[in-house]
Amino acid sequence: NAGVTQTPKFQVLKTGQSMTLQCAQDMNHNSMYWYRQDPGMGLRLIYYSASEGTTDKGEVPNGYNVSRLNKREFSLRLESAAPSQTSVYFCASSEGKLGYTFGSGTRLTVV
Amino acid sequence: SQKIEQNSEALNIQEGKTATLTCNYTNYSPAYLQWYRQDPGRGPVFLLLIRENEKEKRKERLKVTFDTTLKQSLFHITASQPADSATYLCALDPDNFNKFYFGSGTKLNVKP
Repeated sequence: NAGVTQTPKFQVLKTGQSMTLQCAQDMNHNSMYWYRQDPGMGLRLIYYSASEGTTDKGEVPNGYNVSRLNKREFSLRLESAAPSQTSVYFCASSEGKLGYTFGSGTRLTVV
Repeated sequence: SQKIEQNSEALNIQEGKTATLTCNYTNYSPAYLQWYRQDPGRGPVFLLLIRENEKEKRKERLKVTFDTTLKQSLFHITASQPADSATYLCALDPDNFNKFYFGSGTKLNVKP
């Protein structure tokens, strides 16, 4: 009964370092998403994948890349981290209009 | 520009009363609107979805209305309990691509 699993839960990076946030879902959902949440800004869509093999940009894609590795997994990569990317990152999945299932988030600090 | 507005001030109410939260939007004509609950340090949890042709939707103590003329959704919790204390987010799908955009949420505090 895992739902959406995100790793790691916490991460501190130095400016310029790279890292990949991992996300996996076990609900056989077609669509997967990456959001970031900042105080007062709400959730902002970074990238989404409507189905395996497809990805598309959201509201704030600059500085990020994604890979839909298979139907279960959708990873988010920061190639050269910047302090402005300090945030809480949420992965979500959905099927049709039944509502998103979110992971528990990754808290990223870039110093 | 497109906007989804929720009251940034916390809503404080007494246990047993009805809580009403507001979601206003501009420059959208969404086919769907969702409401989520988020507890501190956790991801949002889906509560309800309402379609543009539905004026009202209910689930247990929750009620959502959707007024496409006013561009507004109201979220009601009746007989509120301290356990209902959380941040509530609304989300819209403006393009019917199952890609939702979120408001920044309203924090609800229910006092015993």
